Amino acid sequence: EVQLVESGGGLVQPGGSLRLSCAASGFTFNSYAMTWVRQAPGKGLEWVSGLSGSGATTYYADSVKGRFTISRDNSNNTLYLQMNSLRAEDTAVYYCAKCSSGTYTWFDPWGQGTLVTVSS
Amino acid sequence: QSVLTQPPSASGTPGQRVTISCSGSSSNIETHYVYWYQQLPGTAPKLLIYTNSQRPSGVPDRFSGSKSGTSASLAISGLRSEDEADYYCAAWDDSLSGVVFGGGTKLTVL
Repeated sequence: EVQLVESGGGLVQPGGSLRLSCAASGFTFNSYAMTWVRQAPGKGLEWVSGLSGSGATTYYADSVKGRFTISRDNSNNTLYLQMNSLRAEDTAVYYCAKCSSGTYTWFDPWGQGTLVTVSS
Repeated sequence: QSVLTQPPSASGTPGQRVTISCSGSSSNIETHYVYWYQQLPGTAPKLLIYTNSQRPSGVPDRFSGSKSGTSASLAISGLRSEDEADYYCAAWDDSLSGVVFGGGTKLTVL
């Protein structure tokens, strides 16, 4: 069974940094692209970033480009999101998801999410 | 303002058929597959429809997807109370080189 478990969320001050992790199991991790999607409280889904199976290709939403870095450790089946220069508007539940069939849009399954709160 | 446009709400009574639209452009829906996600209250989103019209195993055939030009639709027939959820469409966008979501549609079963 495919499982994705996010961790690393919490309260951080504006301008601060946080690193999220997503531990994957149940599939050949390095064969699949992965993604991060976030959801601000009471709002809709917003795609954040995607990363190829090898880690060589990355994509970012304009809202996080230059501040967030997606990466992966294929030896430990873990996806990361390094978030720097955090702003209040980055407050959200962050979900990781497995991408299927070589796409960056087919997300299945999703993790349970981890909450990031940016506030002083 | 989302790149893909969905109605913020939809409703129906049990047994009815409801459709949710998703409007995009030539840089996203017209040239790429559309995906639909269902988010039940308090839970993570779940894949509902992939590649415009395919259902993952376990998704009832009451759910169907279609695409034409720059628009896509999700239809739910035989509406049930457990279908109350938020529904999101998504597609790749060539202009943004990223994934775009619709703003979401909250479905209420009256």
